Amino acid sequence: NAGVMQNPRHLVRRRGQEARLRCSPVKGHSHVYWYRQLPEEGLKFMVYLQKENIIDESGMPKERFSAEFPKEGPSILRIQQVVRGDSAAYFCASSARGFSNQPQHFGDGTRLSIL
Amino acid sequence: AQTVTQSQPEMSVQEAETVTLSCTYDTSESDYYLFWYKQPPSRQMILVIRQEAYKQQNATENRFSVNFQKAAKSFSLKISDSQLGDAAMYFCAYRSDDAGGTSYGKLTFGQGTILTVHP
Repeated sequence: NAGVMQNPRHLVRRRGQEARLRCSPVKGHSHVYWYRQLPEEGLKFMVYLQKENIIDESGMPKERFSAEFPKEGPSILRIQQVVRGDSAAYFCASSARGFSNQPQHFGDGTRLSIL
Repeated sequence: AQTVTQSQPEMSVQEAETVTLSCTYDTSESDYYLFWYKQPPSRQMILVIRQEAYKQQNATENRFSVNFQKAAKSFSLKISDSQLGDAAMYFCAYRSDDAGGTSYGKLTFGQGTILTVHP
């Protein structure tokens, strides 16, 4: 399967712990987007990265959230000191280009539950 | 900023019948793309259909078609001959086509419409 791979599929954390979500884009794709889906809501953009660079983090909370997409390896969305409100499904999507008519390919998401 | 509105939280249809899901959007841009995504209970995001704003012809993919009204900023999805497998959450989404701009191709989603298909 050459699609976007996200892991883990489900992640349970206690309040105050750290959550690390991984996303391996489609092979050859160098553009990654992270979206968050709160319960009963649509997906909301969080951050857009190209290899080794954060291009647009306008949708990501300033505190506790960070993202990276290193030269080698998957993109990582990290949430420090998690709180109940962080419970959501987090989706990663990849694209060959950042702004073109090419659709974004979505992973199956990581469902984060905070106890 | 662009906004996407889906005013129907839930819709239902009888198997083999036709249903239309509504979507409106707000933008000052002239070049953009519109999408419908399907999200079944498995939570996968599946692209159903795509429309380029510069194209007047409505997009069609098998049983799925859109009614794109650019002036009215309306983008509805019609599902013909509905099947049980069509039951899912459907999201309308907007994407700028501003090469060199600052939208960077991110998608703006509506709130979603839950579609139930009755046998």
